[in-house]
Amino acid sequence: QSALTQPPSASGSPGQSVTISCTGTSSDIGTYYYVSWYQHHPGKAPKLVIYEVSQRPSGVPDRFSGSRSGNTASLTVSGLQAEDEADYYCSSYAGSNNWVFGGGTKLTVL
Amino acid sequence: QLQLQESGPGLVKPSETLSLTCTVSGGSISSTNYFWGWLRQPPGKGLEYIGTMYYSGSTYYNPSLKSRVTISMDTSKNQFSLMVSSVTAADTAVYYCARTSNLSFDPWGQGTLVTVSS
Repeated sequence: QSALTQPPSASGSPGQSVTISCTGTSSDIGTYYYVSWYQHHPGKAPKLVIYEVSQRPSGVPDRFSGSRSGNTASLTVSGLQAEDEADYYCSSYAGSNNWVFGGGTKLTVL
Repeated sequence: QLQLQESGPGLVKPSETLSLTCTVSGGSISSTNYFWGWLRQPPGKGLEYIGTMYYSGSTYYNPSLKSRVTISMDTSKNQFSLMVSSVTAADTAVYYCARTSNLSFDPWGQGTLVTVSS
């Protein structure tokens, strides 16, 4: 069982917006502003799409956005495209050079 | 462009030691700005942090794995390595190496599947 809780699946039609939640505790998401999100196409290297809750690395489309409220973080993908279909994982720094991850959410573009 | 590539045996026997190497190209693991780490994903499960290392030699491990894990570095080869001792079937996973910056992991290697089986 993963330390962070994500819904196993999410879906949306092209052009729509989808939000994926990630629930942790006051020891990780609730304390540290170091929540990150990773996109993973099976067989490829996971790719960082959001860091520090809401920051986008260079090259990541602004269709990807992140937020946090209390012990829950969220990833929103706007203007869904076929290429966005992938597994998404959240992660939070948990102090003492330790990180926790979610179980992953499979995003399907209908 | 920084690239990481994992390598090592794909099959390890129970109770033995799993050993993997991550070769870094396009950048130096001696950089003062970054840590270098290992993560894994068991089949059908989520990602799990294993540990990280700084070029100075400082290492940090997931408390749940700390007693069995060692991360080391060979700056002359621009590589860092992972050893997991006394493996069981629960250690079967895709193992990834990654660079740590801004307390996130970026970039990652493509991963290598290690199966623990006799």
